[in-house]
Amino acid sequence: AQRVTQPEKLLSVFKGAPVELKCNYSYSGSPELFWYVQYSRQRLQLLLRHISRESIKGFTADLNKGETSFHLKKPFAQEEDSAMYYCALTSNFGNEKLTFGTGTRLTIIP
Amino acid sequence: EAGVAQSPRYKIIEKRQSVAFWCNPISGHATLYWYQQILGQGPKLLIQFQNNGVVDDSQLPKDRFSAERLKGVDSTLKIQPAKLEDSAVYLCASSTGTGEGYNEQFFGPGTRLTVL
Repeated sequence: AQRVTQPEKLLSVFKGAPVELKCNYSYSGSPELFWYVQYSRQRLQLLLRHISRESIKGFTADLNKGETSFHLKKPFAQEEDSAMYYCALTSNFGNEKLTFGTGTRLTIIP
Repeated sequence: EAGVAQSPRYKIIEKRQSVAFWCNPISGHATLYWYQQILGQGPKLLIQFQNNGVVDDSQLPKDRFSAERLKGVDSTLKIQPAKLEDSAVYLCASSTGTGEGYNEQFFGPGTRLTVL
């Protein structure tokens, strides 16, 4: 069975400090990993996916198959980064079924 | 472009009552999803449609939940009868769903259901 684990429910970081949101997954195969974000009073939206290897809003995430991790990182936190972050994976390429983690609420302290 | 629309935004009912939620996906999106998000958890897929056919309903509690997508556009999700544990936010999402690789899912604002 596939599973996504986000060990931190809450994370507070000072503005300008580095941010790392942890995500570990369990899946026997080659999953595709994503980070979704939900800002206050906004809809859940895709932040980035590992296959695109992009940096979105200064965030990056590297898939580490050996450690089965997909941690989200940003070198310098900004106040507008405060939000709920969900790690997710899809196992059935083409089916698009997403399995989400429980989420981490990131708060940037001014 | 207009996003995924859902109604109602909030609903409060008593246990054993029935409730229905409505979703209008982004125009042209073939695939539609219903997720249940219980407080403190991530969204969990209940059912996935491609056009008006069901692709995956393995996590839908079929004894009380039903969903349909007539004409491959709008969709309704029904709970009958509701239980206390059904209190959650119900999210609808849609994607182009071409079946060739992952297609980004766009989420609606959700319907917050409280069962008393």
